[in-house]
Amino acid sequence: KQEVTQIPAALSVPEGENLVLNCSFTDSAIYNLQWFRQDPGKGLTSLLLIQSSQREQTSGRLNASLDKSSGRSTLYIAASQPGDSATYLCAVTYGGATNKLIFGTGTLLAVQP
Amino acid sequence: DTGVSQDPRHKITKRGQNVTFRCDPISEHNRLYWYRQTLGQGPEFLTYFQNEAQLEKSRLLSDRFSAERPKGSFSTLEIQRTEQGDSAMYLCASSVTKSGFTGELFFGEGSRLTVL
Repeated sequence: KQEVTQIPAALSVPEGENLVLNCSFTDSAIYNLQWFRQDPGKGLTSLLLIQSSQREQTSGRLNASLDKSSGRSTLYIAASQPGDSATYLCAVTYGGATNKLIFGTGTLLAVQP
Repeated sequence: DTGVSQDPRHKITKRGQNVTFRCDPISEHNRLYWYRQTLGQGPEFLTYFQNEAQLEKSRLLSDRFSAERPKGSFSTLEIQRTEQGDSAMYLCASSVTKSGFTGELFFGEGSRLTVL
């Protein structure tokens, strides 16, 4: 079964700290991987998309890496801010370009001022 | 606003009633997806369209659920004879597919359904 796991389920850090969120997937034959942010009661905001041929993507204070062989991705957030507080979701697409995403359950991040 | 829009944002209904949600994707996005998300879980795939063709349906989509995208633009998701277990956030997303390449998904704000 193709599954996506995110660890930790929740994380609380002081403002300014650098942090890493982890995502693992059971099948390495992914097409792409996306990281999303979700605020309470809201939809999902796309943060970064990594194609299977890529190793990492960067956007501002965010850097996402992909290691297909180990079935892992990490989302690095530099110099965290209270506005970064949200749930971060990892999602993978398998078996071609359908973009049918399989999501993890997310990491709830709280950045304390 | 040129993002994905969903309507209504919130719907409260009684068990057994029918409900319909509408999604307007980003203009010129040829793919449209429906996902369902329950509290504390990640979204789960329901179905997707390429233009007006419904290409895949999840086994989560029982025969009480029907989705359409009649002109390849907006889409509707109808739930007949709602049950309490249908209470969830229904999320719509769209993307562009060209020459075998599929871009990132853009999600709407969701339609939250509460079945009493």
